[in-house]
Amino acid sequence: GQQVMQIPQYQHVQEGEDFTTYCNSSTTLSNIQWYKQRPGGHPVFLIQLVKSGEVKKQKRLTFQFGEAKKNSSLHITATQTTDVGTYFCAQGAQKLVFGQGTRLTINP
Amino acid sequence: GAVVSQHPSRVICKSGTSVKIECRSLDFQATTMFWYRQFPKQSLMLMATSNEGSKATYEQGVEKDKFLINHASLTLSTLTVTSAHPEDSSFYICSAANSGTGGYTFGSGTRLTVV
Repeated sequence: GQQVMQIPQYQHVQEGEDFTTYCNSSTTLSNIQWYKQRPGGHPVFLIQLVKSGEVKKQKRLTFQFGEAKKNSSLHITATQTTDVGTYFCAQGAQKLVFGQGTRLTINP
Repeated sequence: GAVVSQHPSRVICKSGTSVKIECRSLDFQATTMFWYRQFPKQSLMLMATSNEGSKATYEQGVEKDKFLINHASLTLSTLTVTSAHPEDSSFYICSAANSGTGGYTFGSGTRLTVV
């Protein structure tokens, strides 16, 4: 499957600060999905984006899909300690291929 | 919602033995399940696609004779790590597509330690 590059690898913030992780592909994606994995846990589906330029919000989380459908971002406003974990983007039609993930740690 | 049950959650085995991991879809039928492996602080790497009633499809570099996959029913897929060695120690996770959300539902994972 197509590889998606995800940055940054790590991000440490103060509680209350914002956080953003980015995914980029060299080719056009049919869709992109976002997952959160808590330390010691398993990935949990957050959202799927399909349309060019799509923006979806879940409370403090904002997900975007680029106009060219080659990049996507997840932005968390005013982080809380419950946001700690690794955020993965993933893509694929027949099988899901994951980005490298961004590990978010938060200083309370 | 769709629930995938995976067990055991943890297993320690001796080098050279085999370990079977089970993955069940509890409230839906899954003709296809996916098996991933995750090393510490790394991403999930797809190992194989498990197809009900037919042979699994393995990703490049994954030894099919070492990681035996069986998907005998619409609700059960198993991964058997044969002749396990310490380098097989990892976190193994299964998943299935959730037609309701468009995403994938993951099992809780199995942490395998080979000593």
